[in-house]
Amino acid sequence: GAGVSQSPSNKVTEKGKDVELRCDPISGHTALYWYRQSLGQGLEFLIYFQGNSAPDKSGLPSDRFSAERTGGSVSTLTIQRTQQEDSAVYLCASSIGWGSSGNTIYFGEGSWLTVV
Amino acid sequence: KQEVTQIPAALSVPEGENLVLNCSFTDSAIYNLQWFRQDPGKGLTSLLLIQSSQREQTSGRLNASLDKSSGRSTLYIAASQPGDSATYLCAAQQGGSEKLVFGKGTKLTVNP
Repeated sequence: GAGVSQSPSNKVTEKGKDVELRCDPISGHTALYWYRQSLGQGLEFLIYFQGNSAPDKSGLPSDRFSAERTGGSVSTLTIQRTQQEDSAVYLCASSIGWGSSGNTIYFGEGSWLTVV
Repeated sequence: KQEVTQIPAALSVPEGENLVLNCSFTDSAIYNLQWFRQDPGKGLTSLLLIQSSQREQTSGRLNASLDKSSGRSTLYIAASQPGDSATYLCAAQQGGSEKLVFGKGTKLTVNP
């Protein structure tokens, strides 16, 4: 596709339910990132992938959060037993190589999650 | 721990004015400093990336500078237009990591 695609764009879920958020990066991009943007907060890093490997998972807030990437392409962020504090916009981004090498990072429009 | 601060939080200017957005960071061990734009309800769009070895980058009416020693970056917007209205975010890419540490942004409104 032309850009980073995320689904669903909006999700309302009941507290305690599990949710899956999907990210389809730009074709050929090997690096993939997940960030979270909460109301009144800045963006916070969650996890990044190079290929299917996740060298840095340090931003995942708790063990209820997990992410995987398959085939070096699509990634899924899973939140188990959702809590109201999980309500946020979850942003996915990709780049052709490492951002530290000066590669532009492209963001999707986000998945807006509301836990009620 | 890297902390990124952006001042002011909001800025309103008349069309045509030149303006400066400020970003400061606490840890100078960065790979690069990046500026993004976010429109309401949208994702982020990369504007400029300054490598740690560089002093500035320019794209059209935008110019970003980096002073690692003082932990500061500025985004200069020339001849502002209503279409420039958005939230501008700066982010520091930490040395030894691929993660970006973001400021909370400056919400810019350019009035016609």
